[in-house]
Amino acid sequence: NAGVMQNPRHLVRRRGQEARLRCSPMKGHSHVYWYRQLPEEGLKFMVYLQKENIIDESGMPKERFSAEFPKEGPSILRIQQVVRGDSAAYFCASSGTGKIEAFFGQGTRLTVV
Amino acid sequence: AQSVSQHNHHVILSEAASLELGCNYSYGGTVNLFWYVQYPGQHLQLLLKYFSGDPLVKGIKGFEAEFIKSKFSFNLRKPSVQWSDTAEYFCAVNREITGGGNKLTFGTGTQLKVEL
Repeated sequence: NAGVMQNPRHLVRRRGQEARLRCSPMKGHSHVYWYRQLPEEGLKFMVYLQKENIIDESGMPKERFSAEFPKEGPSILRIQQVVRGDSAAYFCASSGTGKIEAFFGQGTRLTVV
Repeated sequence: AQSVSQHNHHVILSEAASLELGCNYSYGGTVNLFWYVQYPGQHLQLLLKYFSGDPLVKGIKGFEAEFIKSKFSFNLRKPSVQWSDTAEYFCAVNREITGGGNKLTFGTGTQLKVEL
C-alpha cells in the first residue's frame, strides 16, 4: 500500500501522559500536513512540515503540542501532558512538491481517559 | 479569514432520491475547491476537485459539483443516491501558503444517511 500510513489507528492515554502519533507520507511526497477533527466539527489545520522544517504551525496550540518531520523516518505529532479536550481524530496528509492535491491517511483516534 | 460553510449538517434521504449539498466559501482570491467523503471508520477520500476551467466537475461514484464564482458556492450533487453513499461529506477550500504548501480549510461536514 503506497498510501499515507498513520499509526496507531487508536490510542488511549490517561490524563498527563504523552501521545505520539506517526505519519509516513506517500512515497515521493515531501510535504506533510496534520489536521485535527474534534467531535461534531470539521477538520482543522494544525501544522505543515517539509523534511526537517516546520513551515506553518499557525494551527498548533501554543503549549504541549509539537511536530517534526525528520530527514529519515515518519512525521511525528507529539502531545505532552494530554487532557480530555485533546480527544479527537488526528489526520495526516501528504502532497508532492508543486502539487495541490493532498492525500489523507486513515487517522489516529486519540482518547484521553 | 477564510471560511467554508456547509449549511446542511444532517441529511436523510431514501434510495434513488436526488442529493444536493450546499457549500459556500469566503475568500476573494483564486481558490481550489474539493469535496471529500469519509465513510464510517475510514479515511478521507477525494470525491472531486475544481482547479480551473469548466465549472461543472464530475467526480467518482456519480457525484458532480458546480462552481459558481458569483455566489462563492461549490454545491455537490448526485441524481440518485444509493445506500452505500451513507457517509460524511466535507467541502474544502485550498490556498497556497508559505513554502509552497497548500492549506485546506474544511467545512463542518454533512452527515448523509441513505435509507433503503
